[in-house]
Amino acid sequence: QVQLVESGGGVVQPGRSLRLSCAASGFTFSDYGLHWVRQAPGKGLEWVALIWYDGEHKNYADSVRGRFTISRDNSENTLYLQMNSLRAEDTAVYYCARSRSYDYGAPDFWGQGTLVTVSS
Amino acid sequence: EIVLTQSPGTLSLSPGERATLSCRASQRVSSGYLAWYQQKPGQAPRLLIYGASTRATGIADRFSGSGSGTDFTLIISRLEPEDFAVYYCQQYGSSPQTFGQGTKLEIK
Repeated sequence: QVQLVESGGGVVQPGRSLRLSCAASGFTFSDYGLHWVRQAPGKGLEWVALIWYDGEHKNYADSVRGRFTISRDNSENTLYLQMNSLRAEDTAVYYCARSRSYDYGAPDFWGQGTLVTVSS
Repeated sequence: EIVLTQSPGTLSLSPGERATLSCRASQRVSSGYLAWYQQKPGQAPRLLIYGASTRATGIADRFSGSGSGTDFTLIISRLEPEDFAVYYCQQYGSSPQTFGQGTKLEIK
């Protein structure tokens, strides 16, 4: 079955960096686009970034463009999110999710999330 | 950016009743690329509907989606106890993708 397991969350000071990982199994990783979606404590869902199946096309939310970078390693079945210049408002649970298609389809399977707390 | 506005913010109903949730977009949603998700406390979201009206794998047929352009609806025909949760709509046809703010479906 499809499994997505996020890791790398934790407490980080404002202005610092953090890299999240998402290990995938149960499907042909290189055939699907992948998303990052976040949820601040007690708030709604916010789409963060998307990467196509081959890593060539990437899209970002305005709130993270220029600070966050999405990438993938199809040989390791792993998705990444490099987060730089972190701000308090980046505090959230970060979910990785598989697209229904090779590109920008709706996220169909989700991991359980990893919590990022940005605080001094 | 397409802004999605969901209504009502909270819906109070009893098991067995019919629930109607609305999602209105600030611009036309490309190709009907509108999805609905259910989220329960402490859990990841679950995809219910994609392409505005297609049920995802394993989703009960009491869930149905409709709409096009800027107005979309999720209907739960007969509420079961496990349906009480928060529901989000999402458009994925234009970048950046966006979510609505959610509708909380609570037991009356």
